Amino acid sequence: LAKTTQPISMDSYEGQEVNITCSHNNIATNDYITWYQQFPSQGPRFIIQGYKTKVTNEVASLFIPADRKSSTLSLPRVSLSDTAVYYCLVGDRMIKAAGNKLTFGGGTRVLVKP
Amino acid sequence: DAGVIQSPRHEVTEMGQEVTLRCKPISGHDYLFWYRQTMMRGLELLIYFNNNVPIDDSGMPEDRFSAKMPNASFSTLKIQPSEPRDSAVYFCASSPGQGLGETQYFGPGTRLLVL
Repeated sequence: LAKTTQPISMDSYEGQEVNITCSHNNIATNDYITWYQQFPSQGPRFIIQGYKTKVTNEVASLFIPADRKSSTLSLPRVSLSDTAVYYCLVGDRMIKAAGNKLTFGGGTRVLVKP
Repeated sequence: DAGVIQSPRHEVTEMGQEVTLRCKPISGHDYLFWYRQTMMRGLELLIYFNNNVPIDDSGMPEDRFSAKMPNASFSTLKIQPSEPRDSAVYFCASSPGQGLGETQYFGPGTRLLVL
């Protein structure tokens, strides 16, 4: 599973756009980029996944440059309830092929202030 | 559907005791995953099942850990004997598919403290 690097924490204010960049220099050809959100005392929740270019859903957008060595999760107009830890995960879509050590890493702690 | 259900939500035990964590996946999901989360190691996949059969258990830290899925609606993760370093939050998740891109639905977790 490709190693990922994310900022440890980010602060923002309500109504602003939050962009979290994840570096994955060793991403493999078959790897996808997946983001999860985790609130305190809860399990992670799937947000978005992409392979290249841009993916958008009702929650977020995911921007992936041509070299795929990084990706940026964009949260538009955040609210206080978006305060959470966001994990970037890179790997094959098949868990079995991705290897046994599926690790989410430390994630980025986002704090949205009023 | 009530989502993934885990019990107990909190468990405090003494070193050497047996600990059993329980999980009820979402009905109709063919895959069940057990994760462990700690500050030091993040969220790690321990084992996962497909149609009640263990597919990959190489993430299980050692022989003290075992997991079973006797039927499609129930799974257990057992630690025997428990040690202080097993203290963590243990999550169960279920999914209709096995890929990273398949949405995994996580339970609320069991917070385990081994004294």
